Amino acid sequence: AQSVTQLDSQVPVFEEAPVELRCNYSSSVSVYLFWYVQYPNQGLQLLLKYLSGSTLVESINGFEAEFNKSQTSFHLRKPSVHISDTAEYFCAVTPRSGTYKYIFGTGTRLKVLA
Amino acid sequence: EAQVTQNPRYLITVTGKKLTVTCSQNMNHEYMSWYRQDPGLGLRQIYYSMNVEVTDKGDVPEGYKVSRKEKRNFPLILESPSPNQTSLYFCASSLPNTGELFFGEGSRLTVL
Repeated sequence: AQSVTQLDSQVPVFEEAPVELRCNYSSSVSVYLFWYVQYPNQGLQLLLKYLSGSTLVESINGFEAEFNKSQTSFHLRKPSVHISDTAEYFCAVTPRSGTYKYIFGTGTRLKVLA
Repeated sequence: EAQVTQNPRYLITVTGKKLTVTCSQNMNHEYMSWYRQDPGLGLRQIYYSMNVEVTDKGDVPEGYKVSRKEKRNFPLILESPSPNQTSLYFCASSLPNTGELFFGEGSRLTVL
């Protein structure tokens, strides 16, 4: 069985400041890892994913996440946030074996302040 | 435009009145799934389907039914809704092994 923990339910940060959203997972099998973003009144969109290869993955809008196998973490970071980054962020995993069971964290609400 | 379409987007109903939330995707994806989103609980998988006529339970299937008669459609059926099914529901689809889920815009259901 898998589980995903996002310890921070809310993260307020000032515009242009750096931010880190934490994600830890537990799994007895190898998993793929994802970050999804949900803007107000919208569905979720993929932000970035780790399938294999380099442990550092980047999105087109400046976010990055690093897969750390020993710490079973996949924290999301951005060096300088914008007001438009205000949204809820979800970390998710799915087993590599293709069981199609996706496990989501409880989400972190990022509030960027002017 | 590639998309996942859910209907209705908003629905208020009463306990016991059967309802169906439709989901349709135009990307020829084999995999489709339903989730419910509740405050503090994140998204929880209700049912998923790996292809036509192939469905399986997720983590919270009680009180729900699904069917997959066509590749593009995956309706969620609440035979006898109860207030604890008040939630925001999302349908999603994906090609196998890519991992990326494409979500609909959500259906907010209130059961009185």
